[in-house]
Amino acid sequence: SQKIEQNSEALNIQEGKTATLTCNYTNYSPAYLQWYRQDPGRGPVFLLLIRENEKEKRKERLKVTFDTTLKQSLFHITASQPADSATYLCAPLRDDKIIFGKGTRLHILP
Amino acid sequence: ETGVTQTPRHLVMGMTNKKSLKCEQHLGHNAMYWYKQSAKKPLELMFVYNFKEQTENNSVPSRFSPECPNSSHLFLHLHTLQPEDSALYLCASSQDPLAANYNEQFFGPGTRLTVL
Repeated sequence: SQKIEQNSEALNIQEGKTATLTCNYTNYSPAYLQWYRQDPGRGPVFLLLIRENEKEKRKERLKVTFDTTLKQSLFHITASQPADSATYLCAPLRDDKIIFGKGTRLHILP
Repeated sequence: ETGVTQTPRHLVMGMTNKKSLKCEQHLGHNAMYWYKQSAKKPLELMFVYNFKEQTENNSVPSRFSPECPNSSHLFLHLHTLQPEDSALYLCASSQDPLAANYNEQFFGPGTRLTVL
């Protein structure tokens, strides 16, 4: 069955450092992959989309990579800030099927 | 109101009650979705409506009954629920169906449901 794994349940990063979150998928060939941010008590908010023919996508301090050979996407936040603390969800998609990962809780320590 | 709104934000119901969750999107989108988010579990897609027509039902029990009277409103009717149905229920919308244009989804704040 199709499976999405995000590296760890929680990740602690010192303020100013780069946070790297991992999303691995198996038995699935997504055409693209989305990343969302979710704060406690709120719905997810879209951050970035990357297509299978794109290696890398950037938006301000955010960078996403997509390696279809490794079946993996990496999500980077550079110069991290305490306000970046949240849960980050990856969501691979093909056709009309979207599957969300459990998410990684990121804590940026001041 | 802007974006996607959901009411109520919190709901406590007994197993024999009947209640409804409401979602409204003010974005002019053509696709709407219901998701369930339980603790320690990923978001689970329940139902998909494209242009008011249901196109997806991911093996959801019949005690959950969706209704989409128009492209801006989506309801989830609940009856004879079980305690394990307690979760955060999220509504989302996108400009076009997922397969058409790989649009981002806009989520509402969710309804926190507790079944006693």
